[in-house]
Amino acid sequence: EVQLVESGEGLVQPGGPLRLSCEASGFTFGSYWMHWVRQFPGKGLVWVARLSDDGTRATYADSVEGRFTITRDNAKNMLFLQMSSLRVEDTAVYYCVRAAATISFRLDVWGPGTTVTVSS
Amino acid sequence: QSALTQPASVSGSPGQSITIFCTGTRSDVGGYNYVSWFQQHPGKAPKLMIYEVTNRPSGISDRFSGSKSGNTASLTISGLQAEDEADYYCSSYTSRGTYAFGTGTMVTVL
Repeated sequence: EVQLVESGEGLVQPGGPLRLSCEASGFTFGSYWMHWVRQFPGKGLVWVARLSDDGTRATYADSVEGRFTITRDNAKNMLFLQMSSLRVEDTAVYYCVRAAATISFRLDVWGPGTTVTVSS
Repeated sequence: QSALTQPASVSGSPGQSITIFCTGTRSDVGGYNYVSWFQQHPGKAPKLMIYEVTNRPSGISDRFSGSKSGNTASLTISGLQAEDEADYYCSSYTSRGTYAFGTGTMVTVL
């Protein structure tokens, strides 16, 4: 079964760091570009970041550029999102998502999401 | 990245057809055929319904169809069913190499 499962959920103080992980299974992870998408409480979806299949090309939303870093370990079928200088407005559910195409937003497999809460 | 504009809500009776519009700019919806639509039921992860404007992933009912004219994309649900009641989001690739989602539309089946 094709599956993505996020972990790293937590409560963190403003300014602090947090690392999210996403374990992939059931498909050749290293052949797919991957994305992180977040959803603020009671709100809509917001794209966060994208990483190429080989891990060399990353793109970020303006709101997280310079604070978040997306990486992957293809040998371990893992995707990561290192978050630093967290703000209250980063509180959201974070989804790990597979892209079935390079540029097209063909996000065909989603994880169940993991919750990040930034609060003092 | 500015959000694409969608109506907050759309409703219809079972069996009817409804259309959700998604308005962007020449820098996103109007500039690329990379518009996707996602369905999200409460408490669940989003689900891809349409990609590259008109294409349906395997397993998605042909009651769902997508199109685009200029800077506006649309999702039509025909033969509306109770299970279609959900939030729907459009999305598009942008000229900055990033992605934008729509503001979301709540579909209610009367």
